[in-house]
Amino acid sequence: EVQLVESGGGLVKPGGSLRLSCAASGFTFSTYSMNWVRQAPGKGLEWVSTITSGSSFIYYADSLKGRFTTSRDNAKNSLYLEINSLRAEDTAVYYCVYGSSFFQHWGLGTLVTVSS
Amino acid sequence: EIVMTQSPATLSVSPGERASLSCRASQSISNQLAWYQQKPGQAPRLLIYATSSRATGIPARFSGSGTGTEFTLTINSLQTGDFAAYYCQQYNAWPRTFGQGTKLEIK
Repeated sequence: EVQLVESGGGLVKPGGSLRLSCAASGFTFSTYSMNWVRQAPGKGLEWVSTITSGSSFIYYADSLKGRFTTSRDNAKNSLYLEINSLRAEDTAVYYCVYGSSFFQHWGLGTLVTVSS
Repeated sequence: EIVMTQSPATLSVSPGERASLSCRASQSISNQLAWYQQKPGQAPRLLIYATSSRATGIPARFSGSGTGTEFTLTINSLQTGDFAAYYCQQYNAWPRTFGQGTKLEIK
């Protein structure tokens, strides 16, 4: 059974940084692209980033480039998202998602709240 | 960026009836469209990919159609558990983009 478990969310002050993690199991992690998708409270879904299986290609939403960094460790079956210079508008549930094009399986998400 | 527009924003339908949700792309995306269902407090779930292919475990009541820029998700014989938010997503180009969602509510 595919399992994706996010961690690392919490309350952060504006301007701060955070590193989200996603632990994957139940599939051959190293052969799949992985993604981050976020959802602000009461809002729709927003694609954040995709990283290919071997980390050769990493894609970001244009509006987030420069502050967001996606990485992975295939030896640890883990996906990461580092967010810098956090803003109030980054407040959202961040989902770890597996899938190369469409998003096949979603974790439960981790809530990031940016507030002073 | 390909803009995905869903309509209507809210759809009221009675249980047992059929619901048709629309999704329009700002440019052709061939058949590279997926649909997701999201219930309150839960993560989204993949329903349909490649416009009309059902994901594993999705009942035949859910069907997708369309091509190019116009797409439809049809849900037959609505059940209580089908009342949720639905999102379309294109994967023809970067950045990946979602529609703003349609909330399917009980009439």
